[in-house]
Amino acid sequence: NAGVTQTPKFQVLKTGQSMTLQCAQDMNHNSMYWYRQDPGMGLRLIYYSASEGTTDKGEVPNGYNVSRLNKREFSLRLESAAPSQTSVYFCASSGMRPGHTGELFFGEGSRLTVL
Amino acid sequence: LAKTTQPISMDSYEGQEVNITCSHNNIATNDYITWYQQFPSQGPRFIIQGYKTKVTNEVASLFIPADRKSSTLSLPRVSLSDTAVYYCLVGPNQAGTALIFGKGTTLSVSS
Repeated sequence: NAGVTQTPKFQVLKTGQSMTLQCAQDMNHNSMYWYRQDPGMGLRLIYYSASEGTTDKGEVPNGYNVSRLNKREFSLRLESAAPSQTSVYFCASSGMRPGHTGELFFGEGSRLTVL
Repeated sequence: LAKTTQPISMDSYEGQEVNITCSHNNIATNDYITWYQQFPSQGPRFIIQGYKTKVTNEVASLFIPADRKSSTLSLPRVSLSDTAVYYCLVGPNQAGTALIFGKGTTLSVSS
């Protein structure tokens, strides 16, 4: 049981390049999330998907696009990377677990540097 | 969504009890309070969740007063390994809602 898996774990981009962060969960969760965490800061919600086929903006969606490919997978795309997008990106999922519905399960993070 | 306010940092010594308070004055009727712990270079992990009064599990207790405008995470007899950032979240107890993290409280435990 891998939980939430993110790829790649590390990536260096040049300004203007594009890339996609992949996230997959094997817990049969309906909801998935993308957060970013800048050094020494808290997590900020970029986008989330309540269920397959739906996506919604979070706190900081500008510069990002997402795709809920199926129930397992939720990808985050940077179309034209900027240095301000240098951050650690965390994917999370949540489901209907008795006792604490809505509990977030996080991946290990993807560390992105934009030069 | 209810906004949360926590102390930025706290210091403690091994063996002490640590209480971290979170303020959430505009909590809604259907909101629950959830606490997460984050170690460096890792994603946050769930600690405890509650709606009212007191909840206890194997690692922590959560105290929620009757007006629910604040909550207190209590860590009994902390150790060096409890050094981490602790986040308080407030939101509906259902999957698929926008879960917003605050700035969190950095707890430093010394020997």
